[in-house]
Amino acid sequence: EVQLLESGGGLVQSGGSLRLSCAASAFTFSGYAMSWVRQAPGKGLEWVSAITNSGGSTWYADSVKGRFTISRDNSKNALYLQMNSLRADDTAVYYCARQAVSGTFDYWGQGTLVTVSS
Amino acid sequence: DIQMTQYPSTLSASVGDRVIITCRASQSISSWLAWYQQKPGKAPRLLIYKASTLESGVPSRFSGSGSGTEFTLTISSLQPDDFATYFCQQYNSYSYTFGQGTKLEIK
Repeated sequence: EVQLLESGGGLVQSGGSLRLSCAASAFTFSGYAMSWVRQAPGKGLEWVSAITNSGGSTWYADSVKGRFTISRDNSKNALYLQMNSLRADDTAVYYCARQAVSGTFDYWGQGTLVTVSS
Repeated sequence: DIQMTQYPSTLSASVGDRVIITCRASQSISSWLAWYQQKPGKAPRLLIYKASTLESGVPSRFSGSGSGTEFTLTISSLQPDDFATYFCQQYNSYSYTFGQGTKLEIK
Protein backbone atom coordinates (compact mmCIF):
# COMPACT_ATOMS: atom_id res chain seq x y z
CA GLU A 1 0.00 0.00 0.00
CA VAL A 2 1.30 3.46 -0.90
CA GLN A 3 2.58 5.28 2.17
CA LEU A 4 3.78 8.81 2.71
CA LEU A 5 5.16 9.69 6.12
CA GLU A 6 6.02 13.28 6.99
CA SER A 7 8.36 14.32 9.76
CA GLY A 8 10.25 17.35 10.94
CA GLY A 9 7.44 19.55 12.15
CA GLY A 10 7.51 21.35 15.47
CA LEU A 11 7.57 24.68 17.24
CA VAL A 12 9.87 27.36 15.85
CA GLN A 13 10.24 31.07 16.46
CA SER A 14 9.36 33.63 13.85
CA GLY A 15 12.29 34.09 11.49
CA GLY A 16 13.55 30.58 12.12
CA SER A 17 14.00 27.58 9.84
CA LEU A 18 12.70 24.05 9.66
CA ARG A 19 13.18 21.16 7.25
CA LEU A 20 10.33 18.78 6.58
CA SER A 21 10.83 15.30 5.20
CA CYS A 22 8.45 12.88 3.57
CA ALA A 23 9.36 9.19 3.31
CA ALA A 24 7.63 7.36 0.47
CA SER A 25 7.11 3.64 0.14
CA ALA A 26 5.29 0.99 -1.89
CA PHE A 27 5.48 2.79 -5.21
CA THR A 28 8.12 3.86 -7.73
CA PHE A 29 8.91 7.24 -6.17
CA SER A 30 11.06 8.41 -9.08
CA GLY A 31 8.08 8.07 -11.41
CA TYR A 32 5.90 10.69 -9.78
CA ALA A 33 5.81 14.43 -9.28
CA MET A 34 5.23 15.41 -5.66
CA SER A 35 3.80 18.38 -3.84
CA TRP A 36 3.50 19.93 -0.41
CA VAL A 37 0.07 21.19 0.65
CA ARG A 38 -0.66 22.93 3.93
CA GLN A 39 -3.69 23.61 6.07
CA ALA A 40 -3.75 26.28 8.75
CA PRO A 41 -5.74 25.34 11.88
CA GLY A 42 -9.44 25.34 11.06
CA LYS A 43 -8.82 26.62 7.54
CA GLY A 44 -8.79 25.33 3.99
CA LEU A 45 -6.09 23.73 1.88
CA GLU A 46 -3.25 25.68 0.29
CA TRP A 47 -0.88 24.21 -2.27
CA VAL A 48 2.69 25.19 -1.33
CA SER A 49 5.15 23.70 -3.78
CA ALA A 50 5.65 21.00 -6.41
CA ILE A 51 8.57 19.17 -7.96
CA THR A 52 8.79 16.99 -11.06
CA ASN A 53 9.70 13.33 -10.78
CA SER A 54 13.32 14.00 -11.69
CA GLY A 55 13.60 17.10 -9.55
CA GLY A 56 14.44 19.15 -12.59
CA SER A 57 11.58 21.62 -12.22
CA THR A 58 9.97 23.19 -9.20
CA TRP A 59 7.05 25.53 -8.54
CA TYR A 60 6.04 27.59 -5.51
CA ALA A 61 3.04 29.48 -4.24
CA ASP A 62 3.64 33.22 -4.13
CA SER A 63 3.22 33.12 -0.35
CA VAL A 64 6.39 31.02 0.08
CA LYS A 65 8.47 31.92 -2.96
CA GLY A 66 12.00 32.88 -1.98
CA ARG A 67 11.63 31.40 1.53
CA PHE A 68 10.87 27.71 0.92
CA THR A 69 12.79 25.19 -1.19
CA ILE A 70 11.44 21.84 -2.32
CA SER A 71 13.80 19.02 -3.18
CA ARG A 72 13.87 15.25 -3.45
CA ASP A 73 16.29 12.35 -3.27
CA ASN A 74 15.03 9.54 -5.46
CA SER A 75 17.72 7.19 -4.17
CA LYS A 76 16.20 7.53 -0.71
CA ASN A 77 12.54 7.80 -1.77
CA ALA A 78 12.38 11.09 0.08
CA LEU A 79 10.82 14.50 -0.44
CA TYR A 80 11.92 17.60 1.46
CA LEU A 81 10.77 21.11 2.19
CA GLN A 82 13.32 23.57 3.54
CA MET A 83 11.48 26.43 5.18
CA ASN A 84 13.35 29.62 6.04
CA SER A 85 12.27 33.01 7.38
CA LEU A 86 9.21 31.43 8.91
CA ARG A 87 6.27 33.64 9.83
CA ALA A 88 3.25 33.16 12.08
CA ASP A 89 1.03 32.66 9.03
CA ASP A 90 3.11 29.63 8.02
CA THR A 91 1.60 27.79 11.00
CA ALA A 92 -0.20 24.78 9.53
CA VAL A 93 -0.29 21.06 9.06
CA TYR A 94 1.97 20.28 6.12
CA TYR A 95 1.04 17.33 3.92
CA CYS A 96 3.13 15.72 1.24
CA ALA A 97 1.08 14.43 -1.64
CA ARG A 98 1.74 12.29 -4.68
CA GLN A 99 0.65 13.71 -7.99
CA ALA A 100 -1.13 11.20 -10.16
CA VAL A 101 -0.67 11.13 -13.91
CA SER A 102 -3.95 13.07 -14.03
CA GLY A 103 -2.26 15.85 -12.07
CA THR A 104 -4.34 15.50 -8.96
CA PHE A 105 -3.19 14.42 -5.52
CA ASP A 106 -4.05 10.76 -5.23
CA TYR A 107 -2.16 9.89 -2.04
CA TRP A 108 -1.47 12.04 0.99
CA GLY A 109 0.60 11.64 4.12
CA GLN A 110 -0.88 12.09 7.58
CA GLY A 111 0.66 15.54 7.90
CA THR A 112 3.14 17.21 10.23
CA LEU A 113 2.31 20.29 12.30
CA VAL A 114 4.48 23.37 12.05
CA THR A 115 3.85 26.06 14.64
CA VAL A 116 5.58 29.43 14.28
CA SER A 117 5.51 31.54 17.41
CA SER A 118 5.73 35.30 17.16
CA ASP B 1 -3.78 32.98 -9.83
CA ILE B 2 -7.05 31.23 -10.55
CA GLN B 3 -9.54 31.73 -7.73
CA MET B 4 -11.94 28.95 -6.77
CA THR B 5 -15.24 29.89 -5.13
CA GLN B 6 -17.12 27.07 -3.50
CA TYR B 7 -20.66 27.18 -2.12
CA PRO B 8 -22.40 26.72 0.13
CA SER B 9 -19.81 26.92 2.87
CA THR B 10 -22.03 24.83 5.14
CA LEU B 11 -24.76 22.41 4.17
CA SER B 12 -27.13 20.64 6.56
CA ALA B 13 -28.71 17.48 5.24
CA SER B 14 -30.14 14.14 6.30
CA VAL B 15 -29.19 10.57 5.48
CA GLY B 16 -30.73 9.69 2.14
CA ASP B 17 -30.77 13.27 0.83
CA ARG B 18 -29.35 14.29 -2.51
CA VAL B 19 -26.90 17.14 -2.15
CA ILE B 20 -25.09 19.34 -4.61
CA ILE B 21 -21.97 21.39 -3.97
CA THR B 22 -20.88 24.01 -6.49
CA CYS B 23 -17.44 25.30 -7.40
CA ARG B 24 -16.74 28.24 -9.68
CA ALA B 25 -13.39 29.14 -11.23
CA SER B 26 -12.35 32.73 -11.91
CA GLN B 27 -11.33 31.70 -15.44
CA SER B 28 -11.75 28.66 -17.60
CA ILE B 29 -9.96 25.57 -16.38
CA SER B 30 -11.43 23.22 -18.99
CA SER B 31 -12.09 20.01 -17.01
CA TRP B 32 -9.04 20.23 -14.75
CA LEU B 33 -11.06 20.06 -11.57
CA ALA B 34 -10.86 17.63 -8.67
CA TRP B 35 -12.96 17.03 -5.58
CA TYR B 36 -11.66 15.87 -2.21
CA GLN B 37 -13.31 14.73 1.01
CA GLN B 38 -11.70 15.48 4.37
CA LYS B 39 -12.68 14.26 7.81
CA PRO B 40 -11.45 15.90 11.03
CA GLY B 41 -7.82 15.15 11.78
CA LYS B 42 -7.35 13.24 8.53
CA ALA B 43 -5.73 13.93 5.19
CA PRO B 44 -7.94 14.73 2.21
CA ARG B 45 -9.13 11.88 0.04
CA LEU B 46 -9.42 12.21 -3.74
CA LEU B 47 -12.96 11.54 -4.93
CA ILE B 48 -13.19 12.83 -8.49
CA TYR B 49 -10.72 14.14 -11.07
CA LYS B 50 -11.03 15.66 -14.50
CA ALA B 51 -14.37 17.05 -13.34
CA SER B 52 -16.31 13.81 -13.63
CA THR B 53 -14.01 10.77 -13.37
CA LEU B 54 -14.53 8.77 -10.21
CA GLU B 55 -11.35 7.75 -8.40
CA SER B 56 -10.97 4.01 -7.89
CA GLY B 57 -12.76 2.78 -4.78
CA VAL B 58 -15.06 5.80 -4.46
CA PRO B 59 -18.76 4.88 -4.16
CA SER B 60 -20.89 5.52 -7.22
CA ARG B 61 -23.26 7.79 -5.26
CA PHE B 62 -20.60 10.49 -5.82
CA SER B 63 -20.59 12.18 -9.19
CA GLY B 64 -19.10 15.30 -10.71
CA SER B 65 -19.98 17.46 -13.66
CA GLY B 66 -19.11 20.71 -15.36
CA SER B 67 -16.44 22.31 -17.48
CA GLY B 68 -14.98 25.72 -18.06
CA THR B 69 -15.79 27.69 -14.92
CA GLU B 70 -18.77 25.97 -13.30
CA PHE B 71 -18.62 22.57 -11.60
CA THR B 72 -20.76 20.50 -9.27
CA LEU B 73 -20.27 17.57 -6.92
CA THR B 74 -23.42 15.53 -6.33
CA ILE B 75 -23.98 12.92 -3.67
CA SER B 76 -27.08 11.04 -4.75
CA SER B 77 -28.11 9.52 -1.40
CA LEU B 78 -26.20 10.67 1.66
CA GLN B 79 -24.75 8.00 3.90
CA PRO B 80 -23.56 8.52 7.50
CA ASP B 81 -19.93 8.23 6.35
CA ASP B 82 -20.36 11.18 3.95
CA PHE B 83 -20.60 13.87 6.61
CA ALA B 84 -17.30 15.65 6.12
CA THR B 85 -15.77 18.70 4.46
CA TYR B 86 -15.43 18.79 0.68
CA PHE B 87 -12.93 20.81 -1.33
CA CYS B 88 -12.64 21.49 -5.03
CA GLN B 89 -9.24 22.07 -6.61
CA GLN B 90 -8.12 23.34 -9.98
CA TYR B 91 -5.05 21.84 -11.56
CA ASN B 92 -5.15 23.68 -14.84
CA SER B 93 -1.93 25.45 -14.06
CA TYR B 94 0.49 26.05 -11.24
CA SER B 95 -0.20 27.42 -8.80
CA TYR B 96 -2.91 24.97 -7.90
CA THR B 97 -5.77 26.42 -5.88
CA PHE B 98 -8.50 25.00 -3.71
CA GLY B 99 -11.98 26.16 -2.90
CA GLN B 100 -12.58 27.25 0.67
CA GLY B 101 -14.50 24.07 1.48
CA THR B 102 -18.07 22.95 2.14
CA LYS B 103 -18.84 21.41 5.51
CA LEU B 104 -21.59 18.84 5.19
CA GLU B 105 -23.42 18.52 8.51
CA ILE B 106 -26.13 16.23 9.79
CA LYS B 107 -29.49 17.99 9.97
